[in-house]
This record gives sequence, C-alpha cells and structure tokens, in this order.
Amino acid sequence: QKEVEQNSGPLSVPEGAIASLNCTYSDRGSQSFFWYRQYSGKSPELIMFIYSNGDKEDGRFTAQLNKASQYVSLLIRDSQPSDSATYLCAVIVLGNEKLTFGTGTRLTIIP
Amino acid sequence: NAGVTQTPKFQVLKTGQSMTLQCAQDMNHNSMYWYRQDPGMGLRLIYYSASEGTTDKGEVPNGYNVSRLNKREFSLRLESAAPSQTSVYFCASRTTGDQPQHFGDGTRLSIL
Repeated sequence: QKEVEQNSGPLSVPEGAIASLNCTYSDRGSQSFFWYRQYSGKSPELIMFIYSNGDKEDGRFTAQLNKASQYVSLLIRDSQPSDSATYLCAVIVLGNEKLTFGTGTRLTIIP
Repeated sequence: NAGVTQTPKFQVLKTGQSMTLQCAQDMNHNSMYWYRQDPGMGLRLIYYSASEGTTDKGEVPNGYNVSRLNKREFSLRLESAAPSQTSVYFCASRTTGDQPQHFGDGTRLSIL
C-alpha cells in the first residue's frame, strides 16, 4: 500500500461545476496536509493546507480533512478552464522532515 | 522575492559527463530537498538536508551526490550521467515543523 494514494485520473469536470479530488494516507501519525497544483511543464505550487479535522475554505477552494478515516479532499467550486492541472496531495508525519507526495490527479475542466 | 532559484533551467549532457545542479533559497529555510519527476512517476525524493551540515538519502539516491554548502545553498551532482537520469529536477525548501515546501522552477536535464 502506498503511503499517500490519489486517483490518477484523468478527471473531467464541466466548467462551472464542482471538482472533487480525493487523497488517502496510511500513516496515522500524519499531522499536516497540503494540496499543490502543477500545470504542465511547471513546478508544484501550494494552494491549500489543513492541519485540523473539518473544512477549510479559501476562495473557490475547500480542503476537507477526516483523520479518523484517513482522507483529505479538495473541492474546487465554479471550476474554470484555468483549473486544469495535476493536483498533488502531500502529508507530513509527526517528527519527519520529509513530505510524502501522492502521484497526483490530472484534472481537466471542459468548457 | 526570488524564493527558490535553480540553475540551469535546461541542460543536455552526453553519457558519462558530470554536472552540478545548483539551488539557492532566500527564505531562511532550514530544510532543503531534491526531487526528480518523470512522466507517470510523480515526485521522487533523491536527497534532503534537514539542516545546514546534514544530508540524508531519499527514495532514489543512486547515481547522485549532494552538498549543503551553507543554509542557503544545496547542490546536486551527477558524477557520471546516464540516460536513465533524464528527468525534470526540482529543488524545494521549507522551515521546520508543519510548514509546506516551496519549489523552484525546475531543471530539465536530457542525457544522450
């Protein structure tokens, strides 16, 4: 079992709809959770982070964390073509200096 | 506001040649990281440095060496390049605790 798992996609969502990206992790010591967006040919860019159970909203983005079920999700409301990218989930385990990344989900917003 | 700067941005090498990829950060971060990214493989950690003067192996260290020159700079060296090392290389840095990583723009390396 991979430490951080994401559906590789591609996930296709109509423009204006809600895109839902999911990530599960195996280590219960995971304490910090991050979502990065990576456009083709570019470097990963941090878009959200969440540390506590529940929801965290930032503009059109909402991160959701459920530590009991060991999953973290990212919702993108009113999806735009500019949201088309690969989304990487990453976690930090308590006491570990390394982030563990999932392999990413490729999202395509269809105009 | 440079953040993490990688040089060069592109490089083509011949098999057997050596090369050093440079990375510098101006955010006073303690930890620095080198990744490679290949199509369909995600980010794979090569080496990291949790603090000045320390380095540790990551997931795919074979064929690479690193130097944490000072708090700002972390270099990655290929002593004898092989075609399997053709990839995009990313440097990242972060402070300690629960803080995220910040990435450089990457170096696209092709080995013929």
